[in-house]
Formats: sequence, structure tokens, C-alpha cells
Amino acid sequence: RKEVEQDPGPFNVPEGATVAFNCTYSNSASQSFFWYRQDCRKEPKLLMSVYSSGNEDGRFTAQLNRASQYISLLIRDSKLSDSATYLCVVNDGPRSGGATPLVFGKGTRLSVIA
Amino acid sequence: DTEVTQTPKHLVMGMTNKKSLKCEQHMGHRAMYWYKQKAKKPPELMFVYSYEKLSINESVPSRFSPECPNSSLLNLHLHALQPEDSALYLCASSQAGQGLNEKLFFGSGTQLSVL
Repeated sequence: RKEVEQDPGPFNVPEGATVAFNCTYSNSASQSFFWYRQDCRKEPKLLMSVYSSGNEDGRFTAQLNRASQYISLLIRDSKLSDSATYLCVVNDGPRSGGATPLVFGKGTRLSVIA
Repeated sequence: DTEVTQTPKHLVMGMTNKKSLKCEQHMGHRAMYWYKQKAKKPPELMFVYSYEKLSINESVPSRFSPECPNSSLLNLHLHALQPEDSALYLCASSQAGQGLNEKLFFGSGTQLSVL
């Protein structure tokens, strides 16, 4: 069974702090990587894709290490609104017909405290 | 706001009832998905339709029956469910055929309680 592992947390950090989440995946053939954010009782929403060269979107930076099968997310200058569960998500490659189901990690809970 | 619409948002049903969950998207996506999510667990894939054909069934019990009437609609028919089937049922869509850039867009889900 293909797996995505994350530290469940919770991570309780003060506003303005920098926090990092890590994730490992078991399938070396995985091709696509994402971080999704999920608020309580809401649907997952795409936060950012993760590219081999690393990528940044405002206060969020994602890194991928294919050799170690490791993905990270760094959040700088944390805001109260960043409080959520962050899901590490891996695509195992296209299946028949082009559909590409995602495999989700269990998520890391972040609470940003005033 | 999500561009994938799911109805109903909440559903309570008995174990002998038959009900259906509905999902609709108008983004021109050709792949649609059903995921099931229990509290404090990640979403788990149930079914995938690609170009209106069922392409993946993750060994889901037959009391769950998916249907894709057209490229914009996806239904999940429920019959003789068990209390342990209570969960958040999420519909998602993706463009299909994008390969490495394929992203899923989720509906807000149906919170199902089976009594």
C-alpha cells in the first residue's frame, strides 16, 4: 500500500513564528506533490504544488527531495488564519483515461496563537 | 467558493433507506472522484470516473453505487448503509490528461450520518 507519512502535531505556535512541516512518501514512482489545507469540517483546498527546484508563494515555501522521498512546507510570519490541518498529498501517476487520484497524508494540525 | 457543488450538505438516513449524493462541476473537467473522510483521518479514494467511464473502484462495498450521467455530473447512490459509513463524502474533479500538473478541486462535501 502506497503511504504518505506526516507528523500529526499539533503544532502550537505564536503569531509571527516560522513553522516547518515534513512529509515522506513511500512510492518512488510518484510524480506530483502538493500541499492542501483543510479547515475543520471543510473540504481540502490546494495550497500549493511542490516542484523539484523548490517554490515559494508569499509566506509559504515548499521543497521536494526526490532522493530522500521527502517534502517540506515552511510557513513564515504565521497568522491566526493559518490555523488549519495541512495535508501532504502525492499523485501516484496517471491511471487509465488520464485520471490521477491523490493519496493523502493524515495531516499536520497547526494552531497559531495570539 | 468551490466550483464543485455537492448536495445535500447534510444527510441523515436509516440503514434501510435509499438516498443519493449529487455532485456537479462546470469547469470542463473530465475526471471526477468520490472520496470518503472520517473524522481526524485523511480523505480516502472510493471511485474515479474518467471521460464518464468508471476507471477506479477502490474495493468499495456494493452498497455504494456511483453513476456518471454526463461529464458534469457525478452521483453516489446509497443503499442499506451501516452506521460505520457515517462520514464526510467529498466529490472532486480534475482536468484529466494533464499528467504532472493534475490538481484536484473539491466540493464542500456531504456530511452523512447513518442511524
